[in-house]
Amino acid sequence: AQSVAQPEDQVNVAEGNPLTVKCTYSVSGNPYLFWYVQYPNRGLQFLLKYITGDNLVKGSYGFEAEFNKSQTSFHLKKPSALVSDSALYFCAVRDRGDTGRRALTFGSGTRLQVQP
Amino acid sequence: DAGVIQSPRHEVTEMGQEVTLRCKPISGHNSLFWYRQTMMRGLELLIYFNNNVPIDDSGMPEDRFSAKMPNASFSTLKIQPSEPRDSAVYFCASSFSSGGKASTDTQYFGPGTRLTVL
Repeated sequence: AQSVAQPEDQVNVAEGNPLTVKCTYSVSGNPYLFWYVQYPNRGLQFLLKYITGDNLVKGSYGFEAEFNKSQTSFHLKKPSALVSDSALYFCAVRDRGDTGRRALTFGSGTRLQVQP
Repeated sequence: DAGVIQSPRHEVTEMGQEVTLRCKPISGHNSLFWYRQTMMRGLELLIYFNNNVPIDDSGMPEDRFSAKMPNASFSTLKIQPSEPRDSAVYFCASSFSSGGKASTDTQYFGPGTRLTVL
């Protein structure tokens, strides 16, 4: 079974400060990991994914995420937050070895509020 | 590319009525997913198809819910009869799967259908 935990319901950060949104995962084998963002009244938008190789993954809008196998984490980061980054962020995982199940398992989401 | 298309964007109906939600996946994608999002339960996978075949419907709440994918470019999610607790935003997503371990199957989401059952 695969699962994702996003321990923070909400993260507050001031504009211009660095931000981190936390995610930990559990899979039987090796993971594919994803981050999605959801703006109000919109669908989820793909931000970035970890497949293999470099543990630091760069994605859209200046976001990046760091894969840490020993801590089973995949935290989302951005060096300087913008007010427009305020949204709901979802982490998702799929077990790379489970070719029978193509579906992702999503976390509960973390609301990011960036204050001007 | 137009992305995943869902219709209607909003649906308001009365309890007991039949509701049909529609989805057109991204052209060339061979996997399609239906999700439901509520404040209480978050984002739940209802069912997914691969090459038009339902693979996992364990998330479908009960027999009132049914989903079909008659061809690669169209899917429906039907609720009959609808109940107030079905009120939610329903998302469709699609991805391309090569079938092997190397396929990451990045999912792309539609804008969602906001369903309100009175």
